[in-house]
Amino acid sequence: AQKITQTQPGMFVQEKEAVTLDCTYDTSDPSYGLFWYKQPSSGEMIFLIYQGSYDQQNATEGRYSLNFQKARKSANLVISASQLGDSAMYFCAMRDDKGSYIPTFGRGTSLIVHP
Amino acid sequence: NAGVTQTPKFRVLKTGQSMTLLCAQDMNHEYMYWYRQDPGMGLRLIHYSVGEGTTAKGEVPDGYNVSRLKKQNFLLGLESAAPSQTSVYFCASSYSRGVTEAFFGQGTRLTVV
Repeated sequence: AQKITQTQPGMFVQEKEAVTLDCTYDTSDPSYGLFWYKQPSSGEMIFLIYQGSYDQQNATEGRYSLNFQKARKSANLVISASQLGDSAMYFCAMRDDKGSYIPTFGRGTSLIVHP
Repeated sequence: NAGVTQTPKFRVLKTGQSMTLLCAQDMNHEYMYWYRQDPGMGLRLIHYSVGEGTTAKGEVPDGYNVSRLKKQNFLLGLESAAPSQTSVYFCASSYSRGVTEAFFGQGTRLTVV
């Protein structure tokens, strides 16, 4: 069963606008971590942001924030003030004890930022 | 620190040839992983290791073998390459139990003709 679901294969956003990339997850473990990675056209995987299941506040890292809704099992990435350099693939991932802490990834969302 | 280093970065193989991909990390991580990335499929786990001398199968292990003789190295082998193994391969490592992020190598683009 798929543990991480990203339902948006592709997203478009105007430069300087905000965009939300969706991610839902499935786990019965009370302790888990959620991550977002960026993969630009050059191919490397860049870690963006982390949210722990016990964290009371949503994680933020500069223009990135994670909208964590635990009851709904969603961990959406919000990018504020989009830049042309934000055009990339974005992957949501999770580590939990049920999966032996092996990172499991979604299929990714392709984001294109228009000038 | 170099982090996670993969070699080679590119390779073209003929069907039936063999090769080994090397992954090295200098962060003293216990866990290491090999993923393959195909369009529309995200990253799928091939094999992983939770410590020196241990390996385990992931989601798509067929056609691959691995070894972890040293803590810092994790090797991925293709004994008889097939066109279906054309993909981008990523190695990653992380601390053990705990919910910290995984660190990735730069990837290896493999084409099997």
